[in-house]
Amino acid sequence: EIVMTQSPATLSVSPGERATLSCRASQSVGSNLAWYQQKPGQAPRLLIYGASTRATGIPARFSGSGSGTEFTLTISSLQSEDFAVYYCQQYNNWPLTFGGGTKVEIK
Amino acid sequence: EVQLLESGGGLVQPGGSLRLSCAASGFTFSNYAMSWVRQAPGKGLEWVSDISGSGGIIYYADSVKGRFTTSRDSSKSTLYLQMDSLRAGDTAVYYCAKGRAAVGSWFGPWGLGTLVTVSS
Repeated sequence: EIVMTQSPATLSVSPGERATLSCRASQSVGSNLAWYQQKPGQAPRLLIYGASTRATGIPARFSGSGSGTEFTLTISSLQSEDFAVYYCQQYNNWPLTFGGGTKVEIK
Repeated sequence: EVQLLESGGGLVQPGGSLRLSCAASGFTFSNYAMSWVRQAPGKGLEWVSDISGSGGIIYYADSVKGRFTTSRDSSKSTLYLQMDSLRAGDTAVYYCAKGRAAVGSWFGPWGLGTLVTVSS
């Protein structure tokens, strides 16, 4: 099983600042990596797939990068609606696995 | 617009059974793989199962293999999850999600989820 490790667990950021979230895979997943946003009481929302392709309707301030075992989600200028938990997920191997999440909170 | 609506959750005793449904609309159901993902209270996301558009290919997480059965009915555009021999550790919100044409992909969009509580 591929273990996905996200860091940091919590990220405190001021509105308007840049946020950088990391995701590491225990073995290569190529570019088969997705990112999700989840707000309290809501279902997750797909942000990024293929490591760097934004899903339909996702603002350009969200960007993904990386390949192999190291991936990054960058939010260029945090808006109030961006404070949430973010998960990465690999779909290169069975079982499909998620990282433990990074909570982005208001500083 | 893609819409997914889960139903069938509730309180069940350990060892009991429950069947979840996910009604899909807004896309050609049989052309896409579908997935079940769960989230225990206060915890992260855990993939449960994938099923191909035809229903002929199905994958399960080891934690549910042999106890859960995923199926789909294209005539009703509905995905199912039959859960047997339920355990306390199966307590979670269960989400269905649309995949891409092949199994094993990203998940999106997601339904609102249905809560399953396993407790005596």
